[in-house]
Amino acid sequence: GPKVLQIPSHQIIDMGQMVTLNCDPVSNHLYFYWYKQILGQQMEFLVNFYNGKVMEKSKLFKDQFSVERPDGSYFTLKIQPTALEDSAVYFCASRLGVNQDTQYFGPGTRLLVL
Amino acid sequence: QQQVRQSPQSLTVWEGETAILNCSYEDSTFDYFPWYHQFPGESPALLIAIRPVSNKKEDGRFTIFFNKREKKFSLHIADSQPGDSATYFCAASAQGTGSKLSFGKGAKLTVSP
Repeated sequence: GPKVLQIPSHQIIDMGQMVTLNCDPVSNHLYFYWYKQILGQQMEFLVNFYNGKVMEKSKLFKDQFSVERPDGSYFTLKIQPTALEDSAVYFCASRLGVNQDTQYFGPGTRLLVL
Repeated sequence: QQQVRQSPQSLTVWEGETAILNCSYEDSTFDYFPWYHQFPGESPALLIAIRPVSNKKEDGRFTIFFNKREKKFSLHIADSQPGDSATYFCAASAQGTGSKLSFGKGAKLTVSP
């Protein structure tokens, strides 16, 4: 099936540093999502993105978070500065269009903030 | 507030048995209910999904039962195989919200040969 790629698979950084998580969505998909999963808890919605804009963000999407997708390139999640509580697995997902429900997920980036 | 609740958190069945995983939800506007499964180190992948126009959806050995009145839905895996051993997530979303998914905590299914 369609594949979503995420780079890197793991990232360890010191608190206060900046990190960028990269997502390569399915090529013709129009809607993009980030979800956060803390160990032992459910995946939680962070943000969705369409047509170059954030459509909706949750309360987990702090001011230190930003997303973008420069033309044809990765859909990125940037955290600047990072905090200890940002340690989690971050999943990217993409969806084809309005009448297509299925979200396709990447394998996740495991972020550890020390 | 947890929008989607999932139980049990883990389940072990023998090969050939039917595994049953349960979910309930709070938000009456939810109108799309997928189940994802995830193998270690891999992406969550859509297994089967239902919309509330029907109360049952089958795809091979996998069946979703949906009860709108009680706000519950379940996944039944018939004739379970060791290869079905994985973590299963239920989720829900509503139209008009950009289809953001609210997930359950996941259930680890082990099928013993």
